[in-house]
Amino acid sequence: AQRVTQPEKLLSVFKGAPVELKCNYSYSGSPELFWYVQYSRQRLQLLLRHISRESIKGFTADLNKGETSFHLKKPFAQEEDSAMYYCALTSGSGYSTLTFGKGTMLLVSP
Amino acid sequence: DTGVSQDPRHKITKRGQNVTFRCDPISEHNRLYWYRQTLGQGPEFLTYFQNEAQLEKSRLLSDRFSAERPKGSFSTLEIQRTEQGDSAMYLCASSFLVAGSTQYFGPGTRLTVT
Repeated sequence: AQRVTQPEKLLSVFKGAPVELKCNYSYSGSPELFWYVQYSRQRLQLLLRHISRESIKGFTADLNKGETSFHLKKPFAQEEDSAMYYCALTSGSGYSTLTFGKGTMLLVSP
Repeated sequence: DTGVSQDPRHKITKRGQNVTFRCDPISEHNRLYWYRQTLGQGPEFLTYFQNEAQLEKSRLLSDRFSAERPKGSFSTLEIQRTEQGDSAMYLCASSFLVAGSTQYFGPGTRLTVT
């Protein structure tokens, strides 16, 4: 069965510091990996997906199949990055349903 | 169209009562998903529809839960004989038909069973 692990419940950094939110997954096939974000009082929304290879709001994530990881990185954190971040994978024959990690709360202090 | 909407946003009910939630997806989206989120956890998949067909159900979806999408538009999720363990945020999402399409989430319905 697929599983997504986010080892940190909370990550607290100062503005301007680098950020790395860790995500490891287990899945026997070739999953698609995503990062979702939930800002305070807002709904869950897609931040980025590995197949797009985009940088969104300064965030990037590289899929490392050898280490089965998909860590989210940003070189210089901003206060507005404070939010709950969820790593997720989609799998199965329809590549439809999402399996989420438990989430990491990122707090960026001034 | 302002995105996925859910109604009600909050529901408090007594144990043993039945509750029904509604989800209105983005109008062009063929797929509709239900997830459940409890405190300290990420969302957990419950079931999904492609148009009006219910294609997959999680083992989390006990026989007290039933979901419908009768005309391939809005969906309802009913919980019969609610239990305190059903207290959670129930999230709805929708997407296009293409596999791996981005899922757009609604604001959720928070259920509290007393």
